[in-house]
Amino acid sequence: EAGVAQSPRYKIIEKRQSVAFWCNPISGHATLYWYQQILGQGPKLLIQFQNNGVVDDSQLPKDRFSAERLKGVDSTLKIQPAKLEDSAVYLCASSTVRPGTGENIQYFGAGTRLSVL
Amino acid sequence: DAKTTQPNSMESNEEEPVHLPCNHSTISGTDYIHWYRQLPSQGPEYVIHGLTSNVNNRMASLAIAEDRKSSTLILHRATLRDAAVYYCILRELEPPKLTFGKGITLSVRP
Repeated sequence: EAGVAQSPRYKIIEKRQSVAFWCNPISGHATLYWYQQILGQGPKLLIQFQNNGVVDDSQLPKDRFSAERLKGVDSTLKIQPAKLEDSAVYLCASSTVRPGTGENIQYFGAGTRLSVL
Repeated sequence: DAKTTQPNSMESNEEEPVHLPCNHSTISGTDYIHWYRQLPSQGPEYVIHGLTSNVNNRMASLAIAEDRKSSTLILHRATLRDAAVYYCILRELEPPKLTFGKGITLSVRP
């Protein structure tokens, strides 16, 4: 089974530029998440989709960050304009109910490492 | 958000058992205890979860205190590949989201 795919793996931009990240979740997973992980910290949830609807975007800085999940499959996360403090790894995850447990388990991609100069 | 407390780091020797503790004194009756780990330069991966009873799977065992205010992840024989950051998380019921802390960094000595 293919895992969560993310691209690009690395991105370097200057502040005030824009950037976009792409995520393709595991086939059949209805729920998709975007996390931001700053060096030395655990991942922080930015936004959660259920199919193509937003479930939770309470921690998304909406003045500069946006995300969409058209057709309930792939998703893009955009930052415009970027700030120095946006330097981080951006992780995408998708989830499903684990057979036999009834519990929701998340599967993560390798992430995109963003450096803002 | 329900909170967990973990030591910052722990060291172990290869092929020895490792016990990673987690405190969650404010846990509610519906919170599941999840453990994920993050290997260097990778995204987190699921390890194990439980509600009240101890759990075993091919990766690890989870021992949950009777009052559910603490739990311990047990790696029965640590390998060098187990060196990672381990996160203990209380999974919120609805929406089913995970709130990560800083986790515990496990180092494994050859």
